[in-house]
Amino acid sequence: GNSVTQMEGPVTLSEEAFLTINCTYTATGYPSLFWYVQYPGEGLQLLLKATKADDKGSNKGFEATYRKETTSFHLEKGSVQVSDSAVYFCALRDAGGTSYGKLTFGQGTILTVHP
Amino acid sequence: ETGVTQSPTHLIKTRGQQVTLRCSSQSGHNTVSWYQQALGQGPQFIFQYYREEENGRGNFPPRFSGLQFPNYSSELNVNALELDDSALYLCASSRPGLADNEQFFGPGTRLTVL
Repeated sequence: GNSVTQMEGPVTLSEEAFLTINCTYTATGYPSLFWYVQYPGEGLQLLLKATKADDKGSNKGFEATYRKETTSFHLEKGSVQVSDSAVYFCALRDAGGTSYGKLTFGQGTILTVHP
Repeated sequence: ETGVTQSPTHLIKTRGQQVTLRCSSQSGHNTVSWYQQALGQGPQFIFQYYREEENGRGNFPPRFSGLQFPNYSSELNVNALELDDSALYLCASSRPGLADNEQFFGPGTRLTVL
């Protein structure tokens, strides 16, 4: 079955530091890939997505590139802010008509940014 | 445009009881998916409803059941509650064929089973 593996957390950074959160996946075919963010006490918000190999998703300074050869979708940001402190989830959605849009999530990575 | 809403926000039940959680989908969305998020874990897919029919199910026992109504709102029912059912329950609405079938999540219902 499908699976998503995220780097072990939590991650603690100083403001303006560079962020990388690793994500690798196992799936058949060509899934769509997502990063979601969850702020304390809230639901999930879509941060960015990529639907085919070599696509780069980007939003709010965050980027991730769909690498089929390495089955990876690592999240990066050049300069983090205190407001980026949250839990980040990598997820995939099956391609194909029987997938009914089911999302498979990684375990999440807690990011804390200090001033 | 109204987003996805869920009720109640928090709920405390005892083992063996039954619970009903509710979700109102975003305007124009006809599909609702439910996820269980245990503490410190990623969300796990429970099931999805499309046009009032179950359209896919994850690895959850039959005591997890659902409904979708003609206005596309949805309920998640859990019978014979167990301690391990304590979690954040998220619903997400979407519309296949629209906006790449993106799922929009509600804020969740925090269920505690004592």
